[in-house]
Amino acid sequence: EVQLVESGGGLVQPGGSLRLSCAASGFTFSDYDLNWVRQAPGKGLEWISHITRSSNTIYYADSMKGRVIISRDNAKNSLYLQMNSLRDEDTAVYYCARDAGSPPDWYFDLWGRGTLVIVSS
Amino acid sequence: EIVMTQSPATLSVSPGERATLSCRASQRISSNLAWYQQKPGQAPRLLIYGASTRATGIPARFSGSGSGTEFTLTISSLQSEDFAVYYCQQYDNWPPRTFGQGTKVEIK
Repeated sequence: EVQLVESGGGLVQPGGSLRLSCAASGFTFSDYDLNWVRQAPGKGLEWISHITRSSNTIYYADSMKGRVIISRDNAKNSLYLQMNSLRDEDTAVYYCARDAGSPPDWYFDLWGRGTLVIVSS
Repeated sequence: EIVMTQSPATLSVSPGERATLSCRASQRISSNLAWYQQKPGQAPRLLIYGASTRATGIPARFSGSGSGTEFTLTISSLQSEDFAVYYCQQYDNWPPRTFGQGTKVEIK
């Protein structure tokens, strides 16, 4: 089955750190660019970060730039998001999302079910 | 940054009726627009890409149209499983990739 499964969410205090993981299966992981997208409770979707298939190019949203690091391990079929200096407003469900394919197909054709991050003291 | 604006925020429709959702971009994005459906507690699902191409497995009652700055998602005859929140997303000029704020389609 083609799927993405996130893990690593949880409760963290403001200023703390968390590392999210996304495990892929059912497709050739190294053929696709990947992203993190988040959704605060009751709110809309916000793109966070993008990484190319070979990790050559990385982009971040301004809202999290300097506080997050995206990475991937193609040998392990896994995507990661290291989040530091977390704030209350980072509370959200974090989704791993696959890009559809080659440019200009920069839409998300596969999503994981998400992992919830709660930042609270 | 390209701002995406969806209207209305909430659309009340009876089953079997037609629903028309709008999405406007703050600058021209050609046809580089996608639509997603999200049900409560679930991840978003890709419906439409390239403004008008249905994704794999999406029923024909979903159709997309538009180019430039004005886009429409039409659900021709609403089924019970179509009541959800719908988001548009531009991928013409990024980063960042931006979403609209969503339109909730609810049962009238």
